[in-house]
Amino acid sequence: GQNIDQPTEMTATEGAIVQINCTYQTSGFNGLFWYQQHAGEAPTFLSYNVLDGLEEKGRFSSFLSRSKGYSYLLLKELQMKDSASYLCAPRGSNDYKLSFGAGTTVTVRA
Amino acid sequence: GAGVSQSPSNKVTEKGKDVELRCDPISGHTALYWYRQSLGQGLEFLIYFQGNSAPDKSGLPSDRFSAERTGGSVSTLTIQRTQQEDSAVYLCASSLSGSSYEQYFGPGTRLTVT
Repeated sequence: GQNIDQPTEMTATEGAIVQINCTYQTSGFNGLFWYQQHAGEAPTFLSYNVLDGLEEKGRFSSFLSRSKGYSYLLLKELQMKDSASYLCAPRGSNDYKLSFGAGTTVTVRA
Repeated sequence: GAGVSQSPSNKVTEKGKDVELRCDPISGHTALYWYRQSLGQGLEFLIYFQGNSAPDKSGLPSDRFSAERTGGSVSTLTIQRTQQEDSAVYLCASSLSGSSYEQYFGPGTRLTVT
């Protein structure tokens, strides 16, 4: 099985930066995904890391360290619409299915 | 193009009744997944279909749960003799193939068992 640990809640101010950490244990490794889920809506894909390092995509960046079983999602220039739950989802080497963490609820305040 | 659709969007049923939840994946996607999300919890994998291969049912919580995928497209998740602990949002996702890295989620069906 997979063990996934990420903070439950984070609060930040509009325009600020927030970093959401995720640690995981998987049976092998075949990529880690981050999804965004607004309240009452379906998750939407944000990023995918399979190699170590930082992947930047606009205001959002995701980092992966496979040896440490660690990833983070960095949200820059926060906007009110970024208030949502952010789900870390690693995939094991023989798995096609994702295992999702409970998610980190980010609240952006004016 | 059209995304993943699910029906119904909401379902309220009495304990002990059977329910059927439907998922229409994105056209051309060979992989289809069902997940369950209880209030305040992460997504829990239920079942996976890939083309004509035998489905991975390893996430189904009990034998009251079953799923079919007809013609490699539409899928139905059936819960028999529903229990209150079955109350959750049931999400369907599809991807181009099992190895494709992006899963597209439907809006979900909110099931409430009274």
